[in-house]
Amino acid sequence: DQQVKQNSPSLSVQEGRISILNCDYTNSMFDYFLWYKKYPAEGPTFLISISSIKDKNEDGRFTVFLNKSAKHLSLHIVPSQPGDSAVYFCAPRGTSYGKLTFGQGTILTVHP
Amino acid sequence: NAGVTQTPKFRVLKTGQSMTLLCAQDMNHEYMYWYRQDPGMGLRLIHYSVGEGTTAKGEVPDGYNVSRLKKQNFLLGLESAAPSQTSVYFCASSGQGIGGAFFGQGTRLTVV
Repeated sequence: DQQVKQNSPSLSVQEGRISILNCDYTNSMFDYFLWYKKYPAEGPTFLISISSIKDKNEDGRFTVFLNKSAKHLSLHIVPSQPGDSAVYFCAPRGTSYGKLTFGQGTILTVHP
Repeated sequence: NAGVTQTPKFRVLKTGQSMTLLCAQDMNHEYMYWYRQDPGMGLRLIHYSVGEGTTAKGEVPDGYNVSRLKKQNFLLGLESAAPSQTSVYFCASSGQGIGGAFFGQGTRLTVV
């Protein structure tokens, strides 16, 4: 039973345009939703998060939207840059001990 | 500030051999985790610890044991390695408050 799904394995975007990465979840007990970015041969690094009581959080070029009724969140990157090319993981956090449940990841490629 | 450090970075084992992966964090975090990453499956939680001397099972604990004798260290053991344990292993730590986990750089393990 996959609690977190990122249905797009890959996304290709032109530099300067918007990148939209999507994530669906089934567990209504998640209290925080995090996005991680991962480069090859490195560990995931925290990018941005949103509390379950909010519907939008913005940090520079990155904005995360949460639709609790639809159990859906999305990450918007505007404008996209070649350095944003990486794997992006959606990782909701459960209420006990900070455990994260990861989606399968989306490979983002930003072309110059 | 090193953050989360994993040792070793690479290892090749023969089926049936044993080994221990070491994770060390210098952020005084209470919680520590071991994840494995396999192609197309995101990161899955193996075991975790909520404090010195405690351990608990995650989503995929079979074939692994862990110990947390010191707050800063979390060890992952494979008693009898199997080819199905070929994976990239990530250690992470987090505090008790709001925020995400910090990850190590990963250990690539191949069991032949």
